[in-house]
Amino acid sequence: AQKITQTQPGMFVQEKEAVTLDCTYDTSDQSYGLFWYKQPSSGEMIFLIYQGSYDEQNATEGRYSLNFQKARKSANLVISASQLGDSAMYFCAMREARSGNTGKLIFGQGTTLQVKP
Amino acid sequence: NAGVTQTPKFRILKIGQSMTLQCAQDMNHNYMYWYRQDPGMGLKLIYYSVGAGITDKGEVPNGYNVSRSTTEDFPLRLELAAPSQTSVYFCASSYFGLAAYEQYFGPGTRLTVT
Repeated sequence: AQKITQTQPGMFVQEKEAVTLDCTYDTSDQSYGLFWYKQPSSGEMIFLIYQGSYDEQNATEGRYSLNFQKARKSANLVISASQLGDSAMYFCAMREARSGNTGKLIFGQGTTLQVKP
Repeated sequence: NAGVTQTPKFRILKIGQSMTLQCAQDMNHNYMYWYRQDPGMGLKLIYYSVGAGITDKGEVPNGYNVSRSTTEDFPLRLELAAPSQTSVYFCASSYFGLAAYEQYFGPGTRLTVT
């Protein structure tokens, strides 16, 4: 079964508008962490934001925020004021407590975001 | 700091050949990982290491081997290359002790097996 589901293969957004990229996860662990990474066309993986399962507040990093809804098991990425440079593939990932102290991540299949001028 | 470096950037192998993908990090991270990314897909864990001399299998280890003799280096060995191993390979590292366990990625190696 998929542990990380990203249901939007591709998204478009107008420059300067906000966009939400969806991510749902499946775990029975109480302690886990959720990550978002950006992969531009150049191919590198860039860490964007992290949310711990016990964090009471939604994580924010500049124009990125994570809309964490624990009961729904969702961890959507919100990008405010989109820029052309935000065009990339975005991956949601999870680290489960059951993986022990290994830091192993499970990745979703990704969402391709295109920002229109 | 160079971060995580990988060599080579590109490689074409013939079926049955072998090669080693090199990975090094200069951040004194104790954890290191190898992932593969097939076209249009997410990353899948091949092998990981929590310290020098300690390695373990990930989700897709078949056809690969690793070793970790130093904290800095984590090479991935492909034996008897097959077309199914055509992929982009990423090495990553992280530091145990940080709450996020954020992983830092190398630039990737694009491998084609024909």
